[in-house]
Amino acid sequence: EADIYQTPRYLVIGTGKKITLECSQTMGHDKMYWYQQDPGMELHLIHYSYGVNSTEKGDLSSESTVSRIRTEHFPLTLESARPSHTSQYLCASKGYRGNTIYFGEGSWLTVV
Amino acid sequence: AQRVTQPEKLLSVFKGAPVELKCNYSYSGSPELFWYVQYSRQRLQLLLRHISRESIKGFTADLNKGETSFHLKKPFAQEEDSAMYYCALLSNFGNEKLTFGTGTRLTIIP
Repeated sequence: EADIYQTPRYLVIGTGKKITLECSQTMGHDKMYWYQQDPGMELHLIHYSYGVNSTEKGDLSSESTVSRIRTEHFPLTLESARPSHTSQYLCASKGYRGNTIYFGEGSWLTVV
Repeated sequence: AQRVTQPEKLLSVFKGAPVELKCNYSYSGSPELFWYVQYSRQRLQLLLRHISRESIKGFTADLNKGETSFHLKKPFAQEEDSAMYYCALLSNFGNEKLTFGTGTRLTIIP
């Protein structure tokens, strides 16, 4: 089924650990996005990609990095997690045709 | 820079009463606006977009360029409408990024 998948859904990790949040979409979309959302707050764009080998920083500065080696895959990495990184991370994608952006279920990250 | 403002963080409405969720925007170009909804324990999903001019689940939204508004309306609220609602603006230049408002939590009182 065409969808956008995020793993893990929930992660609790210690300070200083490296983590990667996975995002995959099976819709063949070229544009992909990462948003960060603290509970009850607005969504902030932190990374986006036009396609393979394209990555750009978003509106909100983030210590995370992303890569886009394959069209369907857009992982987000934190080299050294800190409590300030505790948040929900939402992955999204958009196709070449149409302007609807589709969201994954989100990954809740807690850094202790 | 594009910006979306939702002035109400919380809105409570009685079942059967009309609902209006406010959204104002600022954008230098021709905007494309959306309403996204997030029900409890579900992902963020598209509710409606201004260019399609359709009614979804009884909700409508009209783009008013003069007032730079895109308010969401429903004449008779239902309990299942309780959710978080986000107004969003799509930039049509370059990155085609979606900028969100802060969201309004709508609670329908039975």
